[in-house]
Amino acid sequence: NAGVTQTPKFQVLKTGQSMTLQCAQDMNHEYMSWYRQDPGMGLRLIHYSVGAGITDQGEVPNGYNVSRSTTEDFPLRLLSAAPSQTSVYFCASSPQGNSNQPQHFGDGTRLSIL
Amino acid sequence: QQPVQSPQAVILREGEDAVINCSSSKALYSVHWYRQKHGEAPVFLMILLKGGEQKGHEKISASFNEKKQQSSLYLTASQLSYSGTYFCGTDPSGSARQLTFGSGTQLTVLP
Repeated sequence: NAGVTQTPKFQVLKTGQSMTLQCAQDMNHEYMSWYRQDPGMGLRLIHYSVGAGITDQGEVPNGYNVSRSTTEDFPLRLLSAAPSQTSVYFCASSPQGNSNQPQHFGDGTRLSIL
Repeated sequence: QQPVQSPQAVILREGEDAVINCSSSKALYSVHWYRQKHGEAPVFLMILLKGGEQKGHEKISASFNEKKQQSSLYLTASQLSYSGTYFCGTDPSGSARQLTFGSGTQLTVLP
C-alpha cells in the first residue's frame, strides 16, 4: 500500500512565488491534515479536513489555502511564499480523526523560500 | 497550548531505561505518542484514552494521569532502534482533529 504520498519531496522557491504541495492517500480516510515542522519545534497544524468539501483552520493557517474536492487528495497552496514559510511540511490522514485513531504521515516536503 | 515535554534530550546506553513526560495545562481526552527518526516521517506508537488502560508495545509502554493532565512514555531495555525524537500530541476535545504536539524529546541510544 502506498499510504500517504507527498510531492514534491524538495522545493526551493523565491519570495513571492506561489506553489501547491500535493498530498494523496489511498486508504479511503475521511480526515486529512497539514502540519509544518520547524527546527526544534513540534508539529503545528495548518489546516485540516474531515471529508470532501469540508476544511477548517488549525493553529497556523495564515499564508496557506486548502481545498478538498475528493477523499483522496488534499493539496496545500502557498499564495505568495515568504521566508518564514521555510519548513518541512507533513500531510497526515486517519479514518475519521477520532481520538482512538492514529494518524498516518507522509514522508514530508522540504521547502526553502529564498 | 502546546504540551511541555521533559526531558528535552536524553542519552542512554543500550539496555538502559528511559522515561519521557508530557504535561498539559488543559484537561485532556487523549494523548498520542509518535517517534520520528531524522529526516523521516513521524511514526505512531500508541494512544492513551481518558479512562483507558495503560498501553504497551514490546518494551515501550505509556501511562496517562487524567487528573494531572500528564502522560509518561516508558522505554525499557533500550535498543539502538529506539533512537529518535519522541513527540506527544494532546487532544482536549475528544475528536483528535486538532492535536497539539509538544516540541519533542530527542533520545539517543549508544552501543
